[in-house]
This record gives sequence, C-alpha cells and structure tokens, in this order.
Amino acid sequence: DPKIIQKPKYLVAVTGSEKILICEQYLGHNAMYWYRQSAKKPLEFMFSYSYQKLMDNQTASSRFQPQSSKKNHLDLQITALKPDDSATYFCASSQDLPGLGRYEQYFGPGTRLTVL
Amino acid sequence: QQKVQQSPESLIVPEGAMTSLNCTFSDSASQYFAWYRQHSGKAPKALMSIFSNGEKEEGRFTIHLNKASLHFSLHIRDSQPSDSALYLCAVSLSSGSWQLIFGSGTQLTVMP
Repeated sequence: DPKIIQKPKYLVAVTGSEKILICEQYLGHNAMYWYRQSAKKPLEFMFSYSYQKLMDNQTASSRFQPQSSKKNHLDLQITALKPDDSATYFCASSQDLPGLGRYEQYFGPGTRLTVL
Repeated sequence: QQKVQQSPESLIVPEGAMTSLNCTFSDSASQYFAWYRQHSGKAPKALMSIFSNGEKEEGRFTIHLNKASLHFSLHIRDSQPSDSALYLCAVSLSSGSWQLIFGSGTQLTVMP
C-alpha cells in the first residue's frame, strides 16, 4: 500500500484558474514538505510543516498556500495559475525535527501539473 | 545560502563498471549530506546519507564526505542496468532550517 498519497496524478489547468493538490501520509511522520521539480529547475523546496505549523516558506509568491487540516495531511492551493507553474509537485515527509538527526525525507509519487 | 552543484550532468558506463558521482556545497556547517535516486517518472528515494567526515559503505554503494574540501561523492561498485536513474545529492541548511537543498542531478545510464 502506498504510504504517501498524492492526488491527482495528472492535472491540466488553464491560465488564471485555481487548483488544490492533495497529500496524505501514512508513515506516522510529524513533518511534511512540498517540493517542485521542472525541466528548467532542480528539485526545489517550497514549504515545510511540523505538527500542522509552518516551519519554512521558500516560495516568494503568495499564490502558493499550503493547507493542513490534520497532522498527516498537507494540501497545496495554487491560485492565478501561470504556464511557468507547470511542474511536478512532490509532497514529502520525515519522522521528526531535523535537529534530532532525522533528516531523511520520503517522497510521494507527485502531481504533474500542466498550465495551458 | 547553501549552493549545491553536481558533476557530471550525465554519465554512461558499461555494466560492471565503477561509477563515481560528485557533489560540491558552499557551507561546511551543514549536518546532513545525502544521495537520492529518482527513476524516470518516479519519486526521489533516499539512497544513503552521512553526517560526519569519512566514508560509509552499504552493499555496492559508498559515500565519502570531506567537509574541508566542501565535497561529497557516491561510488557504485559493479554498476547494474537497474542503477540507471537520476542521482540527486542533498544538503541540509546549517541554520537549523528544515530545508534540504538538492543539486540538479546526474543522469546515469548503465549499458548492458
């Protein structure tokens, strides 16, 4: 059974629209992350959450908003979509705080977003 | 800000060869250094990690870290076609941040 679920697997949107990417993890981890990967850029950190609290935000644009309704759930809302937002968005999780030496992150299968 | 660079960008080796992948970073105060492997169309998956200077071996894979030279590497002994993938190095930020900074990757192809 998959331990990190991302929905949908593929998503096509029109410029200016809004979409929500879903992520749930069943590893019992306390920290969750969002990353973005495109042909133009390497795997890029976006957000980190721990116990539903935002820890880091490296996304300059407020169009990207993470939403956590439960500890094992971290969605990503993207508004006013642009063609440059086209990428694969990966959700990841880790056991606990990096300061405790538990850095290893487990990645979900990704959502491939195409903005036309 | 931590900068991470990988070399080479791509590599083709014959089956059975030794493969060496390189990663350089800019801030030696980081605590976690790792290699992730990503098969085409799949999620990245942690392969090996190291926290202090030296070497660590797991099966056919060996990781070296030299903080003084701002360099760490991954060596794959007896490379197999199933090792063909994108290899990403990752370094934690030194400030206690939760971020992992990834390199742009080395695309490895092992020819049968």
